[in-house]
Amino acid sequence: DTGVSQNPRHKITKRGQNVTFRCDPISEHNRLYWYRQTLGQGPEFLTYFQNEAQLEKSRLLSDRFSAERPKGSFSTLEIQRTEQGDSAMYLCASSFTGSGANVLTFGAGSRLTVL
Amino acid sequence: DAKTTQPTSMDCAEGRAANLPCNHSTISGNEYVYWYRQIHSQGPQYIIHGLKNNETNEMASLIITEDRKSSTLILPHATLRDTAVYYCIVRSGVGTRPNFGNEKLTFGTGTRLTIIP
Repeated sequence: DTGVSQNPRHKITKRGQNVTFRCDPISEHNRLYWYRQTLGQGPEFLTYFQNEAQLEKSRLLSDRFSAERPKGSFSTLEIQRTEQGDSAMYLCASSFTGSGANVLTFGAGSRLTVL
Repeated sequence: DAKTTQPTSMDCAEGRAANLPCNHSTISGNEYVYWYRQIHSQGPQYIIHGLKNNETNEMASLIITEDRKSSTLILPHATLRDTAVYYCIVRSGVGTRPNFGNEKLTFGTGTRLTIIP
């Protein structure tokens, strides 16, 4: 078990380009979460999945953002037509609901810089 | 989820106990108190959680007041590696099970703890 893996760790792109981040959760975890974090702020919830079903989306997740978890394993977060305001750290977390505490394990994040 | 209030920053001498307070005066009966920390350039890391009883694990102790309106995270022997932002979060559950109900963690801005050599 190598924990939650996120790729790429860093992405620099030009405004208007599309970017995709991938998250590989801990293998037995059925829940997967995406958060966004800007400098000096705590992580902000974006969305979460239970298995392959997307159960909640934040209003922060505009139409340009889409997240998928097609087989209930890895997940992707795509941002279309990036804007400078999308520059942030994108964090993925996973958890197992059968554990009782539903403790979230976070990855190291994917840092996006939009020029 | 209930709002929490934490000091913006704190210092603690290495080897001493670090006591991080959190106010959650609007906490409701089925809400748990969770603590996470975030070391620079890493994702948040779970520390401990509790409902109404004091809790201890290998990382820390959590003291929750009897009225549950505040809590304190205690790192008994702080080291330089404990320098991080510490987040206190309250999160609802159903009955005594925190894995149902409101599923997301809502982070505030936390307390920046600096351990001084």
